[in-house]
Amino acid sequence: DGGITQSPKYLFRKEGQNVTLSCEQNLNHDAMYWYRQDPGQGLRLIYYSQIVNDFQKGDIAEGYSVSREKKESFPLTVTSAQKNPTAFYLCASSIDPGMSTDTQYFGPGTRLTVL
Amino acid sequence: EDQVTQSPEALRLQEGESSSLNCSYTVSGLRGLFWYRQDPGKGPEFLFTLYSAGEEKEKERLKATLTKKESFLHITAPKPEDSATYLCAVQPSLYNQGGKLIFGQGTELSVKP
Repeated sequence: DGGITQSPKYLFRKEGQNVTLSCEQNLNHDAMYWYRQDPGQGLRLIYYSQIVNDFQKGDIAEGYSVSREKKESFPLTVTSAQKNPTAFYLCASSIDPGMSTDTQYFGPGTRLTVL
Repeated sequence: EDQVTQSPEALRLQEGESSSLNCSYTVSGLRGLFWYRQDPGKGPEFLFTLYSAGEEKEKERLKATLTKKESFLHITAPKPEDSATYLCAVQPSLYNQGGKLIFGQGTELSVKP
């Protein structure tokens, strides 16, 4: 089955710890994205990558880091510098953002809670 | 500033009671407007993309329309399984932040039998 997988589904972090959220896709999509969702707010872009070994900051990149060593994978690290990391994290991918008809498809999400 | 506002925040309908959800937007050139459905605790599921004013798309009981300032998601004779949060997003065209989407806060729809 083609799709986007995120793991873990739930993640608990102690203050001061770094944690890494996994995102894998087997859709052969070039672009991958990380969004954060908070109650009552729209999804906000953290980082995106249009091609392997390249990524760009989104609107709320502070306290986060990413890597794109393989086309299929785009892990997100939430560092201890992120002041309020408790949220629902969503990974998405799209074929080619340069195409006018490009569509982003989302994974199932990871809920991160800081204890 | 690019912005998306959805209304109402929450909508309660009886089964079979048709209604519409609104998505108002201001954007520096519209590349596309997207509708997603999101069930609790899950990722958004793609529904429609609209590209130009006057365009309409349908899927089962859902119909999306687009004007130069807003989009409507019409729900005809809804069923309880249509209960979900519906998200609207726009993609600006005058700059391309890797295909960035700007999302509204969503409309939570509840359909009672």
